[in-house]
Amino acid sequence: GQSLEQPSEVTAVEGAIVQINCTYQTSGFYGLSWYQQHDGGAPTFLSYNGLDGLEETGRFSSFLSRSDSYGYLLLQELQMKDSASYFCAVRDGDSNYQLIWGAGTKLIIKP
Amino acid sequence: KAGVTQTPRYLIKTRGQQVTLSCSPISGHRSVSWYQQTPGQGLQFLFEYFSETQRNKGNFPGRFSGRQFSNSRSEMNVSTLELGDSALYLCASSGEGGRQETQYFGPGTRLLVL
Repeated sequence: GQSLEQPSEVTAVEGAIVQINCTYQTSGFYGLSWYQQHDGGAPTFLSYNGLDGLEETGRFSSFLSRSDSYGYLLLQELQMKDSASYFCAVRDGDSNYQLIWGAGTKLIIKP
Repeated sequence: KAGVTQTPRYLIKTRGQQVTLSCSPISGHRSVSWYQQTPGQGLQFLFEYFSETQRNKGNFPGRFSGRQFSNSRSEMNVSTLELGDSALYLCASSGEGGRQETQYFGPGTRLLVL
């Protein structure tokens, strides 16, 4: 079946670095995406990895290893505004490229 | 470009009633997906429409249905509402819904069933 696993909650300190992991099991893998959702808001796109390696966008980086069916989102220089839920999602080519979502990781940042 | 819009933003219904939610995608986008999100939960996929055809469907009962119009606007309907249907309903649009496409989400409709 199709599934994505990510930690339900991660706590970090303001100014620190945090990594949110995502492992997936899907057929017909077509890329790993990350979305951020603040409480009461809608998810917004953060990053996409179609190939192995690291993608960097400002303070956020995302990594993918297709051989390990694993990826992570790295947040540096954490700010209080980064407190949110983070979702990984995979496009499944065997299901008309449907996005399969993880359950989300709630990131709690302490001052 | 205007973003994804959803109407209404808030809705209160009673058990047994039915409800219709509307989603207008970003101009030019042809794929619309619907999700249900309950507090502290992830995104539960309902269905995806592309060019007026349902392309994918999640594991929801038949009380949940949808459709897409020729202008790509989409509606979802929930009949015989249950208390457990109280949730945030999100729609998301993308160009073709293809491999690398980002989904753009609307603000959601908060449905409360009493």
